[in-house]
Amino acid sequence: AQSVTQLGSHVSVSEGALVLLRCNYSSSVPPYLFWYVQYPNQGLQLLLKYTSAATLVKGINGFEAEFKKSETSFHLTKPSAHMSDAAEYFCAVSGEGAQKLVFGQGTRLTINP
Amino acid sequence: SQTIHQWPATLVQPVGSPLSLECTVEGTSNPNLYWYRQAAGRGLQLLFYSVGIGQISSEVPQNLSASRPQDRQFILSSKKLLLSDSGFYLCAWSNRPNYEQYFGPGTRLTVT
Repeated sequence: AQSVTQLGSHVSVSEGALVLLRCNYSSSVPPYLFWYVQYPNQGLQLLLKYTSAATLVKGINGFEAEFKKSETSFHLTKPSAHMSDAAEYFCAVSGEGAQKLVFGQGTRLTINP
Repeated sequence: SQTIHQWPATLVQPVGSPLSLECTVEGTSNPNLYWYRQAAGRGLQLLFYSVGIGQISSEVPQNLSASRPQDRQFILSSKKLLLSDSGFYLCAWSNRPNYEQYFGPGTRLTVT
């Protein structure tokens, strides 16, 4: 069985500062990991995914995430925050044999001018 | 390319009324289909998923049901809505059950 923990339901950073959103997972099989972004009143949009290839994954909008097996983590980062990054971010895990993704509770990112 | 549609976009219904939300996917065949709900200020709750026509798996026992009458059509229904059914309903599809899912624009349901 898989599970996801997103540390911090709310994160606030200044415009231009580093964005770091934390995700830890638990999985009994080699995991597939995903980050999604949700803007108000919209569906979720895939930011990036890890499916057992390179451990450093680059996504859209300048985001990237690094898979660290020893730490069971898949943290999302962006070097310089932009006002348009303000949104809800979800981490999700799956794996071979799983029928569905398991989502974290989400982290709301606020960007201060 | 693949697209996913949901309708209606918004819906206001009285308690005790029926519900039907529709989701359709274009540009792919035999997708896995999912219904999620987001209550205000909360995360995603998986309600149902389907790996084929007529095959529905329920994740949470509740006032809702789902059907898949066609390969790329997924319907969420209720016979009598409760106040607690209010929320943002999202449909998603995937080519493989353990791979990334692609979400529709959602339906905002308010039960009054």
